[in-house]
Amino acid sequence: RKEVEQDPGPFNVPEGATVAFNCTYSNSASQSFFWYRQDCRKEPKLLMSVYSSGNEDGRFTAQLNRASQYISLLIRDSKLSDSATYLCVVNSISSGSARQLTFGSGTQLTVLP
Amino acid sequence: NAGVTQTPKFRILKIGQSMTLQCTQDMNHNYMYWYRQDPGMGLKLIYYSVGAGITDKGEVPNGYNVSRSTTEDFPLRLELAAPSQTSVYFCASSYAGEKLFFGSGTQLSVL
Repeated sequence: RKEVEQDPGPFNVPEGATVAFNCTYSNSASQSFFWYRQDCRKEPKLLMSVYSSGNEDGRFTAQLNRASQYISLLIRDSKLSDSATYLCVVNSISSGSARQLTFGSGTQLTVLP
Repeated sequence: NAGVTQTPKFRILKIGQSMTLQCTQDMNHNYMYWYRQDPGMGLKLIYYSVGAGITDKGEVPNGYNVSRSTTEDFPLRLELAAPSQTSVYFCASSYAGEKLFFGSGTQLSVL
């Protein structure tokens, strides 16, 4: 089983739609969680951290379910500019006690006019 | 604001050649990382460093070497290039191993 798994998509949605992505992780000791956005042929950029109580940033809502070991990202009122690949990232502590981030393979979103 | 700077942006190597991918950051971050990303795949950690003089292997270190003589610089060395090393390489840094700041990437082809 992969450490971090995401539905690769693609998700093709019309402008204004609400879309949700899920991500599951295998290490129950994982400590922190993030969503990154990656545009085509560009570097990943941090979209938002994911907190246990859930958090919102404008049209974006992230949630964490530790019991089921998954995180989610909800995008409301989607815009053309939201088209990108969304990467789920999980922080775990390696055996050397150095923090490492494990990336999911990403979920591709295309917002259609 | 430079952030994380990677050079070169593109490179074509012949099998068996060697090269160094340069990475420098001006944010005084202790943590630095090298990732590779193959088409349609997630990022795989090659090597990382938690401070000057300290490096450690990631998930896919074979065929690569790194050094960290200063806080700012974290070069990645390919000694004997192989077609399997064709990929996009990203350098990243972070303050405490959490939120990453990435360079713009190096597209490497080994033919």
